[in-house]
Parts: sequence; structure tokens; C-alpha cells
Amino acid sequence: GAGVSQSPRYKVAKRGQDVALRCDPISGHVSLFWYQQALGQGPEFLTYFQNEAQLDKSGLPSDRFFAERPEGSVSTLKIQRTQQEDSAVYLCASSLEEWAYNEQFFGPGTRLTVL
Amino acid sequence: DQQVKQNSPSLSVQEGRISILNCDYTNSMFDYFLWYKKYPAEGPTFLISISSIKDKNEDGRFTVFLNKSAKHLSLHIVPSQPGDSAVYFCAASANTNAGKSTFGDGTTLTVKP
Repeated sequence: GAGVSQSPRYKVAKRGQDVALRCDPISGHVSLFWYQQALGQGPEFLTYFQNEAQLDKSGLPSDRFFAERPEGSVSTLKIQRTQQEDSAVYLCASSLEEWAYNEQFFGPGTRLTVL
Repeated sequence: DQQVKQNSPSLSVQEGRISILNCDYTNSMFDYFLWYKKYPAEGPTFLISISSIKDKNEDGRFTVFLNKSAKHLSLHIVPSQPGDSAVYFCAASANTNAGKSTFGDGTTLTVKP
């Protein structure tokens, strides 16, 4: 079956531009996670949804970052007024049940480059 | 303060030998641990996990060992194969914060034929 998909795969933005990154999780998966992965580092937690409810957004680095999952399936991560330090790979993952004890299925990521 | 550490950025082993990847954690609230494998240009894929009530979990060529007193876990791959060459991430979760996994920075494993 289809895995987690993310679009676009690559995004180049000029500093100050707004960007929107899309995640299509595996159908029926309750949990959805966003991570930021800088070069040479591990994924760093940004936010977590259980269905449409955003239960944890403690990892969002600033109020320029906003995520939503309005119907409990597709999610969008929006970054306003992008800065160079926002350059990273943004990974989306989904999980069948509510707990992080379950394995997470990752998408291929969106590589964001801010010039 | 990094709560999950993989102190070896890289490891090289010969095909057929054992690969041992290590992971240390500092948060005593972590009670579930996972290993993920990542190939270039792909997202991480789940490999194996272990709950804190166990000290060992085995799945085919992969075994994870957990030493709670030392806050240390390791992933053993026996025998290693060239297709195992990838970046391996250790991740940890806490029951009190079930939505969040904390990842290490990864170890790049190279298995030479």
C-alpha cells in the first residue's frame, strides 16, 4: 500500500518568503508527527497530532512555525518569513495508534533551502 | 542538552562480522526505545524496538540490548551484510509524553564486502 508522502520534495525559498509543506499520512493512521532534521543530526521533534487535535507543539522553534491537520488526515506545516536557519529536511511521520510506542512510518522529507 | 546520544558518528565492519551500534540516554523517564535505519534521500524506517521491562529483543539478524542502570542500549547486527550500510538512529519515548520521540544524531554503518 501507499506510504507516507510529502510534497514538495525540494523547496528553495528566499529569506522572508512564506512556505507550506504538505504531508499525506498512511490512510487510517491516527498519529502524525513533524520533525526537523539539520545536516548531520537526528530528527528533532516539532509537533504531534492525534487525529485533528494538535496535542504537542513544544518543538516548534518560533511562532513563525504553524502546523494544522484540520480533517485528521493531510497535514500542512507552514513557515512564515523564512530565515536561513530554517534550512533543513522536514520529515513527516504517521503511526497507527496514539502512542509513540508504536513504530512511526516516515515520508521521504522535504528539503527546504532558504537563500 | 542532548538526551539521546550516539557517540560514534561512523562504524565500518567487514561483511559477515558483527556490527554493534551504541546509544546512551540521560532521561530516566524514557521507557521505550526504537532503532530506525535510513538510506540517503529516504525517510527513516523502523527496525526494532524494546520496552524498558525487557533487557533484550531479537528479530532475525537484529538484537537490541538494554542496560537500564547504565542508561545504555546497543543494536547488534549478525551477520552484517553490505545492504545494511545506512545511517542508524536510536530513539526514545516516555510514557508521560507519549507523542514525542527523541532521536540521537545517528551512526553511519558501512559494511564492506
